[in-house]
Amino acid sequence: DAMVIQNPRYQVTQFGKPVTLSCSQTLNHNVMYWYQQKSSQAPKLLFHYYDKDFNNEADTPDNFQSRRPNTSFCFLDIRSPGLGDAAMYLCATSRDSGRANTEAFFGQGTRLTVV
Amino acid sequence: DAKTTQPNSMESNEEEPVHLPCNHSTISGTDYIHWYRQLPSQGPEYVIHGLTSNVNNRMASLAIAEDRKSSTLILHRATLRDAAVYYCILRSSTGNQFYFGTGTSLTVIP
Repeated sequence: DAMVIQNPRYQVTQFGKPVTLSCSQTLNHNVMYWYQQKSSQAPKLLFHYYDKDFNNEADTPDNFQSRRPNTSFCFLDIRSPGLGDAAMYLCATSRDSGRANTEAFFGQGTRLTVV
Repeated sequence: DAKTTQPNSMESNEEEPVHLPCNHSTISGTDYIHWYRQLPSQGPEYVIHGLTSNVNNRMASLAIAEDRKSSTLILHRATLRDAAVYYCILRSSTGNQFYFGTGTSLTVIP
C-alpha cells in the first residue's frame, strides 16, 4: 500500500536525450515536491507544487521542468540530461495545514543514470 | 531557509540509547523542528516533529531546549535497522518547503 509511487525505480538515459520521471500519490495531498540527491549528499529541493501553483527554487537549473496535471500525478522533465544530472530523484508529498506541523511522505526514488 | 548543524557521524552499540543532537540557533518562533531518516537506497522517512514541548512517538523522542536553539532526537534502544542518516529540518510556517541539512550518519554496532 505504497502512498507515494515513483516510476521507474531505475532509469538510464542518453546524454542530451529528454527524460521524464513520474510520481503518483494516493494521499490526496496538495503539496508535491521534487528533490535531487547525489551520492553521499543530502536531498536538494528542486521545486514544489502547492496545488497547481509551481514554486521553483532559485538555484534550480532551467534544464529541469515539472508538470502536475492533477492532484495525484507529478512529472519531472529533464530537457537535456548531462552527466552531472545522474542522481537519485525523490518525490514527496505533504498536506498544507497553514502551519508547519505536517510531515512529508517520500517515494522510493528513481535512480537516473546518464550514459 | 533556517540552517541546522549536526555532527557528520555517530556510533552506538546495539540496544543502547542514542542521542542525536541538532543546533538551530536561527530558529524563528513559528518554525517546527522535524526529523527524518534515510535508510540506504530508500527515500527519507518521517521520524518525529515538535514546536516547543518534548514529543514522544513509537519511533523516538524529541527533546527541545527551552530556548529552542537546539534539539535532540532520542532513540531509546538502537537496533541494527536504525542505521541510517538522520536529518534535522526546520520547517517554516511561511512556506511548504523541507530543506535538508547534511545530516548525521548513525552506525549501530552489534
